[in-house]
Amino acid sequence: GESVGLHLPTLSVQEGDNSIINCAYSNSASDYFIWYKQESGKGPQFIIDIRSNMDKRQGQRVTVLLNKTVKHLSLQIAATQPGDSAVYFCAENPGGSNYKLTFGKGTLLTVNP
Amino acid sequence: ETGVTQSPTHLIKTRGQQVTLRCSSQSGHNTVSWYQQALGQGPQFIFQYYREEENGRGNFPPRFSGLQFPNYSSELNVNALELDDSALYLCASSAQQGSNTIYFGEGSWLTVV
Repeated sequence: GESVGLHLPTLSVQEGDNSIINCAYSNSASDYFIWYKQESGKGPQFIIDIRSNMDKRQGQRVTVLLNKTVKHLSLQIAATQPGDSAVYFCAENPGGSNYKLTFGKGTLLTVNP
Repeated sequence: ETGVTQSPTHLIKTRGQQVTLRCSSQSGHNTVSWYQQALGQGPQFIFQYYREEENGRGNFPPRFSGLQFPNYSSELNVNALELDDSALYLCASSAQQGSNTIYFGEGSWLTVV
């Protein structure tokens, strides 16, 4: 079956440090991946996405890396700020016409000032 | 702001009752999906609507049903509420099936007592 899991349920970093959040997926047919940030009491906020024909994509202060060989996804946040504190989810879509996303449990990122 | 609006934001229902949750998708987005997020978990796909028809369903019983209207807004209906239905219900919209970006609303918090 499909599953998306996260290696670390919690991550605590100092303000200004770089953060790396990891994610493993099991469905080799997945061709699209998204990282979401969810603050307490709010809906998931789109951060960055990547398709399976890429292995790296950069946004503003964020980079997503995809390793299809080991089915691993990571989100790197540069110069982490207190406002980055939230739960981060990776989600995968197996492709095709049905755009279902499969989410993992999430990683709680805490940024200490 | 994602342009996806949901109502109500919070509600309390009694076991056995029925509930209707509403979603207005981002302008131009014709695909709407609903997710259930239990406390401390990642969102779980309920179903998706495209051009007013259900297009894909997750592992949820038939008492979870939905509608999509010509203006692409959507409703989620849950009959015979159970205590375990207590969760955050999220609506997500995208421009079309296979579109890169899926935006979530802030959700409707449902408590069943």
